[in-house]
Amino acid sequence: QKEVEQDPGPLSVPEGAIVSLNCTYSNSAFQYFMWYRQYSRKGPELLMYTYSSGNKEDGRFTAQVDKSSKYISLFIRDSQPSDSATYLCAMWKTSYDKVIFGPGTSLSVIP
Amino acid sequence: DVKVTQSSRYLVKRTGEKVFLECVQDMDHENMFWYRQDPGLGLRLIYFSYDVKMKEKGDIPEGYSVSREKKERFSLILESASTNQTSMYLCASKSSGGYTFGSGTRLTVV
Repeated sequence: QKEVEQDPGPLSVPEGAIVSLNCTYSNSAFQYFMWYRQYSRKGPELLMYTYSSGNKEDGRFTAQVDKSSKYISLFIRDSQPSDSATYLCAMWKTSYDKVIFGPGTSLSVIP
Repeated sequence: DVKVTQSSRYLVKRTGEKVFLECVQDMDHENMFWYRQDPGLGLRLIYFSYDVKMKEKGDIPEGYSVSREKKERFSLILESASTNQTSMYLCASKSSGGYTFGSGTRLTVV
């Protein structure tokens, strides 16, 4: 079993839809959780960063962590064509550990 | 904002050549990383460094080496390039707030 699993998609939604992206993980020691967005032919950029369980909101984006279920989510409200990208979840145990990345979900928002 | 700069966006090299990929960060971070990214395989860690002149092997170090002579610069070296090293190479710098990636170098070995 991989440490971090993520549906690769591709996921295609109409503009304005609510998008839900998810990752599951197996190591209950993970405490820090991140979402990265990667446009084609570019490096990943940090989108959201959360510590432990709970929700964090930033504009149209909400990151949710459920440590009891070992499940994290990224919600995108009012999705835009500019949100079309690959979304990578990432997590680690302590700041001294290497980060474990999910394989990424490809999202297309159709105008 | 932290900036991580990779010197080349696209490179084409011949099989057997020695290849240097350069990465510079401007925020005095101790931890730096080299990944390669391939379709269906995601990000795979090649090497990382947590201080000057220190290096640690990642998950796929074979065929690669690294150099960290200065804190801001972390170089990836392909000793003898092969076609299976054709890939997107990403450098990252780490702080308590997560990774900052460079824009990547797309390397093609012919």
